Amino acid sequence: GEDVEQSLFLSVREGDSSVINCTYTDSSSTYLYWYKQEPGAGLQLLTYIFSNMDMKQDQRLTVLLNKKDKHLSLRIADTQTGDSAIYFCAERYSSASKIIFGSGTRLSIRP
Amino acid sequence: DTGVSQNPRHKITKRGQNVTFRCDPISEHNRLYWYRQTLGQGPEFLTYFQNEAQLEKSRLLSDRFSAERPKGSFSTLEIQRTEQGDSAMYLCASSYMTGDEQYFGPGTRLTVT
Repeated sequence: GEDVEQSLFLSVREGDSSVINCTYTDSSSTYLYWYKQEPGAGLQLLTYIFSNMDMKQDQRLTVLLNKKDKHLSLRIADTQTGDSAIYFCAERYSSASKIIFGSGTRLSIRP
Repeated sequence: DTGVSQNPRHKITKRGQNVTFRCDPISEHNRLYWYRQTLGQGPEFLTYFQNEAQLEKSRLLSDRFSAERPKGSFSTLEIQRTEQGDSAMYLCASSYMTGDEQYFGPGTRLTVT
């Protein structure tokens, strides 16, 4: 079945690293995504990883994929106030068109 | 700005009225998607087009909903006889043929009173 789960909230201190976790159920998922949504806005594609990869790094963002446990994480280094947003984990099969989203993790930054 | 654009950004309508939303995708993108997002949830897929052909529709897309992409460029999503349960953010996205990277517009927030 199709299901993507994330914790609802995460609070981190400014300058620390944030780690947002996600689990998915379908092992045939080929693409795993992280999107960011700021209040009242659409979704911004942050990064994505193919299922044959373990890790992807892009500036302050590091994505780790544990395919055996169906676990995906997003690490944001040196978290800033501008990183406050809702982060969505999502999956897609290579043969499919739609992206299946989790319910999102709200990241808040404390000084 | 060559991103995905959507109009209107906000729409308030009375129950029973018809509404139409427009999406202009990134110009070189073949695929166009519609999603719906309710408060506290992630977006849910509604339908998608490859050029002008509507290739997939979700079970969420009741017969009151219709989407078109007549010339393979912009798309419209119409909701007939709106209900309060239709209140949501309607998001449009576009991508190249592979669909690997879907880029979203700012959304149209619909409120049905």
